[in-house]
Amino acid sequence: ETGVTQSPTHLIKTRGQQVTLRCSSQSGHNTVSWYQQALGQGPQFIFQYYREEENGRGNFPPRFSGLQFPNYSSELNVNALELDDSALYLCASSHGTSRYNEQFFGPGTRLTVL
Amino acid sequence: TQLLEQSPQFLSIQEGENLTVYCNYSSVFSSLQWYRQEPGEGPVLLVTVVTGGEVKKLKRLTFQFGDARKDSSLHITAAQPGDTGLYLCAGAGGSQGNLIFGKGTKLSVKP
Repeated sequence: ETGVTQSPTHLIKTRGQQVTLRCSSQSGHNTVSWYQQALGQGPQFIFQYYREEENGRGNFPPRFSGLQFPNYSSELNVNALELDDSALYLCASSHGTSRYNEQFFGPGTRLTVL
Repeated sequence: TQLLEQSPQFLSIQEGENLTVYCNYSSVFSSLQWYRQEPGEGPVLLVTVVTGGEVKKLKRLTFQFGDARKDSSLHITAAQPGDTGLYLCAGAGGSQGNLIFGKGTKLSVKP
């Protein structure tokens, strides 16, 4: 059983640029959630995808968008990058019918915006 | 708005000491999960507690869910340097299927 993988591990961008982060879910999982973790903070929910549809969204602007593919892998896209977007971006996979919503995280992508 | 409060925020102890960290929240969650996160890594799920008053043990770690399901604690016996990390609690049951995290307790265990 393979765990959650994310790419790239690190990324440096400048303000105004666009970025795409990728996530492969754990085998058997059909739900992917994305979180942003700023330094010294707990993860903050961005959005969740279930069966290729957005299933819920946190308090993030529309320039944060995503996709889920038929194999349940997912992308997070951020347009018009701002300095405050610098953070660790975490992807978590789960099974949509899991009673307790246990989520399993990937290693994250460290994004630095200069 | 942070619904989960974790305390203490930082904890530095010597190897062999015992410690307890706390998670309190203003809402009732359907379940509570504890994670450990090492620098530059994603959180790793340690345990899920569901029933009020529930106690779960994982080797030297003991997790407790409050009777009213509005608080939880993690107790570590005879801490080791390998226990060093950020301990996060997360409530499940958000309306959008998300987990709601606290800021975490950063634990440092010195040899």
